[in-house]
Amino acid sequence: QKEVEQDPGPLSVPEGAIVSLNCTYSNSAFQYFMWYRQYSRKGPELLMYTYSSGNKEDGRFTAQVDKSSKYISLFIRDSQPSDSATYLCASAGSGAGSYQLTFGKGTKLSVIP
Amino acid sequence: DSGVTQTPKHLITATGQRVTLRCSPRSGDLSVYWYQQSLDQGLQFLIQYYNGEERAKGNILERFSAQQFPDLHSELNLSSLELGDSALYFCASSVASQTTGELFFGEGSRLTVL
Repeated sequence: QKEVEQDPGPLSVPEGAIVSLNCTYSNSAFQYFMWYRQYSRKGPELLMYTYSSGNKEDGRFTAQVDKSSKYISLFIRDSQPSDSATYLCASAGSGAGSYQLTFGKGTKLSVIP
Repeated sequence: DSGVTQTPKHLITATGQRVTLRCSPRSGDLSVYWYQQSLDQGLQFLIQYYNGEERAKGNILERFSAQQFPDLHSELNLSSLELGDSALYFCASSVASQTTGELFFGEGSRLTVL
């Protein structure tokens, strides 16, 4: 079992829709949770960053972490065609030996005008 | 623009050959990470260097090696290439030695092995 599982999609929604992207993870040591956005032919860029459980909001984006169920979510409100990209969830632990992020495989999102 | 520069952007080579991928981190970043991205495996961590020293190793094959130079640029060497090595190779950098998730990625080097 991969440490971070993500539905690869693809996911296609109309412009203005609310998008929900989800991941599950298995490593209880994970404390840091991220969402990266990757446009076609580009490198991933950090979109949202959360430490431990809870919600974080940034404009149209909300990240949620539920450590009790090991569930990570990203919500996009009022989705725009410019949101069309692959979204990668990622997690990292704390303490020794946890220097690298573990990524999900990514969900490809298309927002149709 | 993340500030991380990778060269070459595209590379086509034959099985059995050796290639070198180069990465210049963001100004001021001491850590360099190498990742491999393929359709079936997603983004896989290969290796991390911090200020010239190897810091962590992931799923890096013995045929692959990396180093970080005094000017902090890094090179990833891939040898005895196989068809399955075809992938996107990303370099990322960060200030800290221990990742908090805030990595800055380059645009990648696309390797095709024929």
